[in-house]
Amino acid sequence: EVQLSESGGDLVQPGVSLRLSCAASGFTFNTYAMSWVRQAPGRGLEWVSAISSSGDATYYADSVKGRFIISRDNSRNTVYLQMNSLRAEDTAKYYCAKEASPPYFDHWGQGTLVTLSS
Amino acid sequence: ENVLTQSPGTLSLSPGERATLSCRASQTVSSSYLAWYQQRPGQAPRLLIYGASSRATGIPDRFSGSGSGTDFTLTISRLEPEDFAVYFCHQYETTHTFGQGTRLEIK
Repeated sequence: EVQLSESGGDLVQPGVSLRLSCAASGFTFNTYAMSWVRQAPGRGLEWVSAISSSGDATYYADSVKGRFIISRDNSRNTVYLQMNSLRAEDTAKYYCAKEASPPYFDHWGQGTLVTLSS
Repeated sequence: ENVLTQSPGTLSLSPGERATLSCRASQTVSSSYLAWYQQRPGQAPRLLIYGASSRATGIPDRFSGSGSGTDFTLTISRLEPEDFAVYFCHQYETTHTFGQGTRLEIK
């Protein structure tokens, strides 16, 4: 059974950094691309970032480009999202999602909440 | 960016009725790279349909997807109580974008 478990969300002030983690199990992690998708409270879904199976290629939404960095450790079956220079509009639940090929999202974690408040 | 517009915003129906949800893209989604997800309150999204019309593993056959180009539809043939949720469409041909969602509520 595929399982994705996010962690690292917190209540933080604008301008700080935070690192999210997503631990994966139940599939051959190093053969699948992974994404982060976020959902602001009461709002829709926004794709944030993706990383290829090897980690060689990364992609970002314009809203986070230059501030967020996605990475993965295939030896630990974990994908990360380093979030720098956080803004109020980054407040959201952040979901880790496994990409199929072509890249729809066939499995999702339960999410981790990031709240920005001064 | 390929903007997806879902309609209606809210759909009020009774169990046993048929639900028809629409997703319109601002640009053609070739190869039918369109998916549908269900999100129940407090839960993560769940994949229902990919490739515009293929049901994901374990999804009941009352859920069906259709369409091509810029117009796509999710149909739920006979609503069950657990189907009342929010539904999102998603195009994955270019940079991922999602529709704003349709809330399916009990009438």
